[in-house]
Amino acid sequence: NAGVTQTPKFRILKIGQSMTLQCTQDMNHNYMYWYRQDPGMGLKLIYYSVGAGITDKGEVPNGYNVSRSTTEDFPLRLELAAPSQTSVYFCASSYGEGTGGKGELFFGEGSRLTVL
Amino acid sequence: GENVEQHPSTLSVQEGDSAVIKCTYSDSASNYFPWYKQELGKRPQLIIDIRSNVGEKKDQRIAVTLNKTAKHFSLHITETQPEDSAVYFCAASSGGGKLIFGQGTELSVKP
Repeated sequence: NAGVTQTPKFRILKIGQSMTLQCTQDMNHNYMYWYRQDPGMGLKLIYYSVGAGITDKGEVPNGYNVSRSTTEDFPLRLELAAPSQTSVYFCASSYGEGTGGKGELFFGEGSRLTVL
Repeated sequence: GENVEQHPSTLSVQEGDSAVIKCTYSDSASNYFPWYKQELGKRPQLIIDIRSNVGEKKDQRIAVTLNKTAKHFSLHITETQPEDSAVYFCAASSGGGKLIFGQGTELSVKP
C-alpha cells in the first residue's frame, strides 16, 4: 500500500495563477481531508469529504475548491493564487470515526506551495 | 463551529520529567478527541485518541484525560525521552467527519 500520495511536493506560483494539488489514497477510506499548515501554526481544515460525491467546507475554504468523483481521489484546486496561500498542504484520509484506530487520519507527505 | 484552544504553545522539560498539554473545545456535541505527533519535517501521526464516553485512556507512557463538563482534555507524557521532542496537536470532532485541530505545542525534552 502506498497510503496517501500527494503531488506535487513543491511548487512556486505567481500571484493570480491557478493550480491543482492532487491527492490519492489506496486504503479504500471513505473520509478525505485537506489541511493547510502555516509556519509554526496548527492544521487548518480547508475542505473534507465523507464519500464520493460529497464535500463540505472546513474552517478556511475561501480561495479553494475540491471535488470527489471517486473514493480514491480528492484534488484541491487553487484559483487566483495569493501570497496568503503560501503554506504546506496536507491531504489525509480515514475509515471514518471512532477510537481504536478507526478514526485515525493517515496523512500524505505534504505539498509545499509558495506564491510570489 | 468548533474551536479548539491548546496550551502551552511551547514546553521544555528535562528527560525523565512529565509533560502535560491541555486543550479546550467549544462544541459540547464533540465526542472524539485524538492527539497527533509531528516530528520536524514529517507528517502528523496519531498517538492516542479517546471518545466522550471514557474519562481516561492510557497507552504505555502516554495518557489522555477528558472532562466533558469543563470541555477540556489533556495529554500526559511520563518519563519523557529525547525522542518525544516534537509538535503535538489535539483535535476534536462532533461527528460527520469534521476534525478541528488545536494550534500545536512544541515539546522539547532536554537530555
